[in-house]
Amino acid sequence: KNQVEQSPQSLIILEGKNCTLQCNYTVSPFSNLRWYKQDTGRGPVSLTIMTFSENTKSNGRYTATLDADTKQSSLHITASQLSDSASYICVVSLSGGYNKLIFGAGTRLAVHP
Amino acid sequence: DSGVTQTPKHLITATGQRVTLRCSPRSGDLSVYWYQQSLDQGLQFLIQYYNGEERAKGNILERFSAQQFPDLHSELNLSSLELGDSALYFCASSVAFGDGEQYFGPGTRLTVT
Repeated sequence: KNQVEQSPQSLIILEGKNCTLQCNYTVSPFSNLRWYKQDTGRGPVSLTIMTFSENTKSNGRYTATLDADTKQSSLHITASQLSDSASYICVVSLSGGYNKLIFGAGTRLAVHP
Repeated sequence: DSGVTQTPKHLITATGQRVTLRCSPRSGDLSVYWYQQSLDQGLQFLIQYYNGEERAKGNILERFSAQQFPDLHSELNLSSLELGDSALYFCASSVAFGDGEQYFGPGTRLTVT
């Protein structure tokens, strides 16, 4: 069964601190892995997309890593800001000619002053 | 702003009723996707259309149907509504039907009472 699991479920950190979110997947056939940021009540916004051949991809203070062998990914947030408070969703795309995405449940991050 | 528009923003209706949600994709995008996000749940893929034709189906109930019109806007029809259908419904669009980036709209919040 295609699944994407994220941990932790929720996280509270202080402004300025770093944090790392985890994603494990059992999805086949794998095409790419994406991290999205979703503010409460808003649509998800893409942070990074990585194919199996990419190990690291950065977008500002966000750095995603991918280990296709162990089927694990992480999202590292550096020098957190209050605006980073959101849900972070790991999404794996299936290959096969259509753009089907398998969503993780997300990690809810709260950044406190 | 992703360029994807959804109307209405909020919808409140009674059980047993039928509603239609509308989505306009980004200019130039041919694919439209519909997702459901129940309270504190991950996004669930419902259905995808590409240039007017259905391309992929996910966990879409038989009470739900969708279509994409010649001008590429899409409508999601929900009928015989139940309390459990209360959720955020997101539309996303992409240029093609492959593994390209999906851009999400702001969502329609449906409340069934």
